[in-house]
Amino acid sequence: QQQVRQSSQSLTVWEGETAILNCSYENSAFDYFPWYQQFPGEGPALLIAIRSVSDKKEDGRFTIFFNKREKNLSLHIKDSQPGDSATYFCAASPPSGSWQLIFGSGTQLTVMP
Amino acid sequence: ETAVFQTPNYHVTQVGNEVSFNCKQTLGHDTMYWYKQDSKKLLKIMFSYNNKQLIVNETVPRRFSPQSSDKAHLNLRIKSVEPEDSAVYLCASSDNAETLYFGSGTRLTVL
Repeated sequence: QQQVRQSSQSLTVWEGETAILNCSYENSAFDYFPWYQQFPGEGPALLIAIRSVSDKKEDGRFTIFFNKREKNLSLHIKDSQPGDSATYFCAASPPSGSWQLIFGSGTQLTVMP
Repeated sequence: ETAVFQTPNYHVTQVGNEVSFNCKQTLGHDTMYWYKQDSKKLLKIMFSYNNKQLIVNETVPRRFSPQSSDKAHLNLRIKSVEPEDSAVYLCASSDNAETLYFGSGTRLTVL
């Protein structure tokens, strides 16, 4: 049972384009949604996160759009750079008291120069 | 800036051997975790350890056991490794169960 789903295993865009990575979830009790970025040979690192009370969170070239009614969210990477090539994990957390984040299966983004 | 340190980076062993991986965090966090990342990059939580309270993912085989001497250290021991244990093992720490800080992982290959 996959509680957090990332629809694409991989995505390729050209440098300068906007990359859009999609994520959906099943449990309406989830209220915190971080995106983690992982480069080869490294562990995942928090990139940006949103809470369910918001519908948008922006940090530089990275924006999360959140749709609570549809139970989905997306990560937009504007002006993609080759250095953005990495695996991106969507995750979700139930309200405080839970012991774990639930990760999606990841989307491998390749930005072609 | 690395704050979660894992050793070794790589380990190759044979079926049936025992292995042990180390993890140390310098962030002062109360909670540490072990995750398994398979060849498809799926992240699966194995253990969470907070204030001597251990939470185990019930799908983890019994040959896996965490070992902690203090809140800054959480090691992982695998008794009698099997081929399906080949993976990257990631240690993480957190102070709020929301933001995880991961180490760079230990890649285990079981021949």
